[in-house]
Amino acid sequence: SQTIHQWPATLVQPVGSPLSLECTVEGTSNPNLYWYRQAAGRGLQLLFYSVGIGQISSEVPQNLSASRPQDRQFILSSKKLLLSDSGFYLCAWSVRGGGRNNEQFFGPGTRLTVL
Amino acid sequence: AQSVTQLGSHVSVSEGALVLLRCNYSSSVPPYLFWYVQYPNQGLQLLLKYTSAATLVKGINGFEAEFKKSETSFHLTKPSAHMSDAAEYFCAVSESFQKLVFGTGTRLLVSP
Repeated sequence: SQTIHQWPATLVQPVGSPLSLECTVEGTSNPNLYWYRQAAGRGLQLLFYSVGIGQISSEVPQNLSASRPQDRQFILSSKKLLLSDSGFYLCAWSVRGGGRNNEQFFGPGTRLTVL
Repeated sequence: AQSVTQLGSHVSVSEGALVLLRCNYSSSVPPYLFWYVQYPNQGLQLLLKYTSAATLVKGINGFEAEFKKSETSFHLTKPSAHMSDAAEYFCAVSESFQKLVFGTGTRLLVSP
């Protein structure tokens, strides 16, 4: 069966510090991968998605970047965190080529607090 | 572009009462619709999805949703609420082969 991991589970970082959040998927190959941010009372905001190694699409201009160095690894980064980067970050995957009825499967999330 | 609107950021029910969470969609193509549930500090879990096979869709944990094209709605219901149903619920519409567009969520509160 497929499993999606995220780490760390929680993170407290000072403003201006770098960030690296990691997501890995097991039990499937060639998945679509996604990063979402969930801020209080604002629902889910799609940040990045990837349909293959090295292929990243950015949805919202911001202080963050994403990379996909391996097929089942997706990394969210920042060089300098802002207070507004605080939130709950969710990674998700879906079957590539599965069509518009393709559901996404979510990881457990990372709670980031920027102080 | 596709979008969903969830009416009511919070819904409160008593244990044993009917649960009704509202979702209206906007889509330029025949929609594929999803309901997800999120328990505190966890990821999202798929409850059910509509893929045009049947207008009444049954999901996990006793939830179901009915697709009504004339009303552009996909409301989520459960006949009898349990305390364990307290969570946040998200409606989503498929925008493309790769992306889902989520609503802002409805927090369900269940009182004894």
